[in-house]
Amino acid sequence: QLQLQESGPGLVKPSETLSLTCTVSGGSISSSSYYWVWIRQPPGRGLEWIGNIYYSGSTYHNPSLKSRVTISVDTPKNQFSLKMSYVTAADTAVYFCARGATDYYDSNGYYWGWLDPWGQGALVTVSS
Amino acid sequence: EIVLTQSPDTLSLSPGERATLSCRASQSVSSRFLAWYQQRPGQAPRLLIYGASSRATGIPDRFSGSGSGTDFTLTISRLEPEDFAVYYCQQYGSSPQRTFGQGTKVEIK
Repeated sequence: QLQLQESGPGLVKPSETLSLTCTVSGGSISSSSYYWVWIRQPPGRGLEWIGNIYYSGSTYHNPSLKSRVTISVDTPKNQFSLKMSYVTAADTAVYFCARGATDYYDSNGYYWGWLDPWGQGALVTVSS
Repeated sequence: EIVLTQSPDTLSLSPGERATLSCRASQSVSSRFLAWYQQRPGQAPRLLIYGASSRATGIPDRFSGSGSGTDFTLTISRLEPEDFAVYYCQQYGSSPQRTFGQGTKVEIK
């Protein structure tokens, strides 16, 4: 059974870089049948898509965050990572990683699909 | 740009009752590309339904999804105590393919 686990610092100072890693177990991160996603949820609020990475290494980022976000994959370690620069208090959230199914291929060359499973989430607080 | 609006924001029901949750899209969405998730307090979202009406592995048959075009529904036929949670719809067939609804909270009356 595939499992995902987020890890990284729970406290980041304003203007610094948030770094999180998602470790995938019970399956390969290299499968072309799936893509890998970062989503966040500010306290008491809904879900916001951050970005995703495909087995090819190509990435998609939410345009509202694009200039601050880097998503990468470490295939030998079966991990993918998120870096978000110049964080502010507005970036305080629970950060989830998830696996996406490659169900729909859009005109820009990206695959999309439902998300299953999800990691348990990691709370990151931005505060000095 | 597609926007998903869920209603109601909060649904107050008793165990054993039927819950009907709505997800309305601002533009037509292919039913193939509509999913529903459940999020219990302090937990990650869990996939319930994909393709508008297909139950994910291990999901009880009291959960069902339906709809097409701009109107989609998640129905819980008889609420169990563990079903009181927040439910989100998601579409991924139209730009931007990263859209969630704002969520409906099902609470105990």
